[in-house]
Amino acid sequence: GEDVEQSLFLSVREGDSSVINCTYTDSSSTYLYWYKQEPGAGLQLLTYIFSNMDMKQDQRLTVLLNKKDKHLSLRIADTQTGDSAIYFCAESKNQAGTALIFGKGTTLSVSS
Amino acid sequence: DTAVSQTPKYLVTQMGNDKSIKCEQNLGHDTMYWYKQDSKKFLKIMFSYNNKELIINETVPNRFSPKSPDKAHLNLHINSLELGDSAVYFCASSQDSWITSTDTQYFGPGTRLTVL
Repeated sequence: GEDVEQSLFLSVREGDSSVINCTYTDSSSTYLYWYKQEPGAGLQLLTYIFSNMDMKQDQRLTVLLNKKDKHLSLRIADTQTGDSAIYFCAESKNQAGTALIFGKGTTLSVSS
Repeated sequence: DTAVSQTPKYLVTQMGNDKSIKCEQNLGHDTMYWYKQDSKKFLKIMFSYNNKELIINETVPNRFSPKSPDKAHLNLHINSLELGDSAVYFCASSQDSWITSTDTQYFGPGTRLTVL
């Protein structure tokens, strides 16, 4: 079956790097996503990676994908207080109308 | 110039009432979705429509009925509201992957439904 797991909480100090981890079970997933949800707000797409890639970098964000272990991580460099939010990992089969399967979200708390 | 919009943002109502939530996207996408986020922040698909045709209908009570009058709109009507329906409901849309290579989903701001 499909399942996406994330650790629930991560606490870092401002300026440090944050690494949020995710594991998934469906090997047929073709795209993996990271979404950010700030308190009381909607889901903001941060980045995504195609399953035949190992790494994707976008400014302060680095996504690493280990397809063999079905492990995805999001690294945020120089974490700021504005990065405090819930981060959701999600997998997709990339077919019209199919659902994103979300993890339960990791709450990132950044202290100054 | 909001891409995916939902109305209302907040909805407070009594048990047993019937209510609707509206969603509109101006991205020209072919597929629209409804997700439910519970009090523990868990997100789960409810429905998806592709070109006004129902694609996904997860195990959702019959009291929930989606309606897609056109590709840009997907509304959610809920009959006989129950306490357990209290949640945040998110609408999303995506383009067909044969057009853009990825069916990345873009989400609306959510509608917080509170049933008293």
